[in-house]
Amino acid sequence: QVQLVQSGAEVKKPGASVKVSCKASGYTLTIHYMHWVRQAPGQGLEWMGIISPNSGITSYAQKFQGRVTVTRDTSTSTVYMDLKSLKSDDTAVYYCARGIYGAYGFDYWGQGTLVTVSS
Amino acid sequence: QSVLTQPPSASGTPGQRVTISCSGSSSKIGSDSVNWYQQLPGTGPKLLIYGNNQRPSGVPDRFSGSKSGTSASLTISGLRSEDEGDYYCAAWDDSLHVVFGGGTKLTVL
Repeated sequence: QVQLVQSGAEVKKPGASVKVSCKASGYTLTIHYMHWVRQAPGQGLEWMGIISPNSGITSYAQKFQGRVTVTRDTSTSTVYMDLKSLKSDDTAVYYCARGIYGAYGFDYWGQGTLVTVSS
Repeated sequence: QSVLTQPPSASGTPGQRVTISCSGSSSKIGSDSVNWYQQLPGTGPKLLIYGNNQRPSGVPDRFSGSKSGTSASLTISGLRSEDEGDYYCAAWDDSLHVVFGGGTKLTVL
């Protein structure tokens, strides 16, 4: 069965960086795009970016350009999201989400990783 | 702020039919790109509808989606208490960038 298992919660100080991992199992990583979506406390969903695990090509929401980097390690079927220069309003649950092959949508989601940014 | 506009709240009684709307600019709601997600309290999002009106396996046929022009809607028939939660629309552009609506909080009275 398809599973996306994310790394554990993080507490960071403003200005620091955080790297969240998303380990995929139950399918071939390179077949599906992987996305990152975040949700601030009590707020809605916000799309951050996408990676093609096959090629490594990425694309990011304009809001996060220059601050976010998504990478993958096909040998371990793991995708990473690195966010730098953290601010307090980056406090959120970060999700990886698998894109449906050949269609638009996220069919599987990780369990979410809470990143808290606080001095 | 979201480019896709949803009503902040909706409500209904058990057994009723409820419709949640999602409107946006033509550049964001492409031909077959609207999705709907359900987020129950304390859980992560779950895909309800993709490709405007397709249901993944396991999603009850009480949930249906439609799109007309630059507006989309999610209809829940035979409303149940367990449907109470937040509902989000999403749309994709040609660059596979995604925008979400602001979400609609559904209350089952």
